[in-house]
Amino acid sequence: GAGVSQSPRYKVAKRGQDVALRCDPISGHVSLFWYQQALGQGPEFLTYFQNEAQLDKSGLPSDRFFAERPEGSVSTLKIQRTQQEDSAVYLCASSLRDRGEYSNQPQHFGDGTRLSIL
Amino acid sequence: AQRVTQPEKLLSVFKGAPVELKCNYSYSGSPELFWYVQYSRQRLQLLLRHISRESIKGFTADLNKGETSFHLKKPFAQEEDSAMYYCALKFGYNFNKFYFGSGTKLNVKP
Repeated sequence: GAGVSQSPRYKVAKRGQDVALRCDPISGHVSLFWYQQALGQGPEFLTYFQNEAQLDKSGLPSDRFFAERPEGSVSTLKIQRTQQEDSAVYLCASSLRDRGEYSNQPQHFGDGTRLSIL
Repeated sequence: AQRVTQPEKLLSVFKGAPVELKCNYSYSGSPELFWYVQYSRQRLQLLLRHISRESIKGFTADLNKGETSFHLKKPFAQEEDSAMYYCALKFGYNFNKFYFGSGTKLNVKP
């Protein structure tokens, strides 16, 4: 595809429900990132994959958040037992390569999924 | 702690006026800095990065390590420049994290 694709664009869930957000990165992009963007704030890092390996998940706010990328392409961010504070836009980004201190590849962002927890 | 600060939430200027969007960072090493832009109803996209020392759409940004700043400048603002601008810091030996500022909304009035 032409860019990073995220689905659904909008998701409304009741508090306590589980949700799954999908990200289709640009074909061939090794690195994949998830961000959470609260209203009026910049994106905040959640987690990072290099191919199928989750190399950094230090930004995940709680153990209710789980991300996977089993075949090194599509990624899913799952939130269990959602809370109202989980309401935000969830952004996915991919880059061609992001390894070592010599890499400076820009990240390409999707449109995001706007999650609203009632 | 690593940090990116954009002190202005909103900046309004008239068309043709100079623009400076401020960004300060906190990091002791050698960071990589970027400006991202989000136009209305569009996705976040890269505007420019300090390592390229480029000018995109008339915008430039110079890394000032002494002042730990990476301000975005344009001598003559255009209405189509109206957008949200985010300064982002990518740093560290583990080069896989971006820290974003909270963003500045630029409004260019006719």
